[in-house]
Amino acid sequence: DAKTTQPTSMDCAEGRAANLPCNHSTISGNEYVYWYRQIHSQGPQYIIHGLKNNETNEMASLIITEDRKSSTLILPHATLRDTAVYYCIPIQGAQKLVFGQGTRLTINP
Amino acid sequence: DSGVTQTPKHLITATGQRVTLRCSPRSGDLSVYWYQQSLDQGLQFLIHYYNGEERAKGNILERFSAQQFPDLHSELNLSSLELGDSALYFCASSTPRGGVYNEQFFGPGTRLTVL
Repeated sequence: DAKTTQPTSMDCAEGRAANLPCNHSTISGNEYVYWYRQIHSQGPQYIIHGLKNNETNEMASLIITEDRKSSTLILPHATLRDTAVYYCIPIQGAQKLVFGQGTRLTINP
Repeated sequence: DSGVTQTPKHLITATGQRVTLRCSPRSGDLSVYWYQQSLDQGLQFLIHYYNGEERAKGNILERFSAQQFPDLHSELNLSSLELGDSALYFCASSTPRGGVYNEQFFGPGTRLTVL
């Protein structure tokens, strides 16, 4: 499994864009980058995933660098309900999710 | 609501006892995964079942076992419970599409407290 490095914590003002970086320099060519989040003690929630192209859905955008060694999750207009721990997880196939420490994102009013 | 249900929501029991946690996957999902989240270990993968068959094992203790039934629901059995087994237990479900991994949907979890 590719190792990931994420900031331990980040703050963002409500209504602003939250940009969460992830370093996954050992990612292999067929590993996708998945992002999940966990709002306090709730079950983790899938956000978005990508292989090498940038992706966007109703929740977020995912920017993956051309060398695929890092990615950034963008929450375009953060709300208080986006306060959570965000996990970046490289994965191939129907495998287990390996959760690191993640980034604790706090959205401030 | 992810569509994954788990029962019970809370469970309090004593050391040495045995409990069963139940998970119903989203309609049509064939894979069920179990995860444990304790304060000091974070979220850890326990076991994966696909259409009734065990597919992968993680850091699952020998005192723990699981199975997936023909109706696709799954049960996680924890026996000879110890204080350290106190944790949140999550199950997740997914279904591959064309052999491609897709996202896992998590249930709300069962909070187990061992006294």
